[in-house]
Amino acid sequence: ETGVTQSPTHLIKTRGQQVTLRCSSQSGHNTVSWYQQALGQGPQFIFQYYREEENGRGNFPPRFSGLQFPNYSSELNVNALELDDSALYLCASSPTGSPLSYEQYFGPGTRLTVT
Amino acid sequence: AQKVTQAQTEISVVEKEDVTLDCVYETRDTTYYLFWYKQPPSGELVFLIRRNSFDEQNEISGRYSWNFQKSTSSFNFTITASQVVDSAVYFCALSEFSNAGKSTFGDGTTLTVKP
Repeated sequence: ETGVTQSPTHLIKTRGQQVTLRCSSQSGHNTVSWYQQALGQGPQFIFQYYREEENGRGNFPPRFSGLQFPNYSSELNVNALELDDSALYLCASSPTGSPLSYEQYFGPGTRLTVT
Repeated sequence: AQKVTQAQTEISVVEKEDVTLDCVYETRDTTYYLFWYKQPPSGELVFLIRRNSFDEQNEISGRYSWNFQKSTSSFNFTITASQVVDSAVYFCALSEFSNAGKSTFGDGTTLTVKP
């Protein structure tokens, strides 16, 4: 158990819709990262948030956006869903102190299916 | 740009055999972190080991051992006397130094251990 939770576990959406995925970090973890893991591939870095500000972004379009809240929860929003957005979405939190950290703790993921 | 290559897509062994999972990485950074994670069917990534780029000592933890060779940009993982419970997908990952939350992952090696 890493103490990182994600909701929902599974989700089915239709192409063109919008979706919000949620993550709850361990208390005191000020940094959260989101990853997309397509079937048969490794996780790909989407973006990272530190103290409610974006702290780096991977090669994902602007329709992927995020929010981080003071209570150590965060959201990943995806607009205009495409079939290729079907994947396991993982969030990972890192301990307090700075955005610099040598470890991250992963949640169980949200499986998104776009039809 | 960082890149991680896990050339072995799938490996199948019989219980008690030793197995080595290969990982080759590319980075322009002089300091960085390397990781191995295990992903069982449940989907949650389980942290196994972190190695700093300036620490080339091999490490052993029970049946697990890791061989880091900076000269060949490799970070291989060996399981000795494999067990059925070792069956999972294993990922090698690379991150900026002191920011594990921005990791680049390989596409994973699926290990199947047969009784």
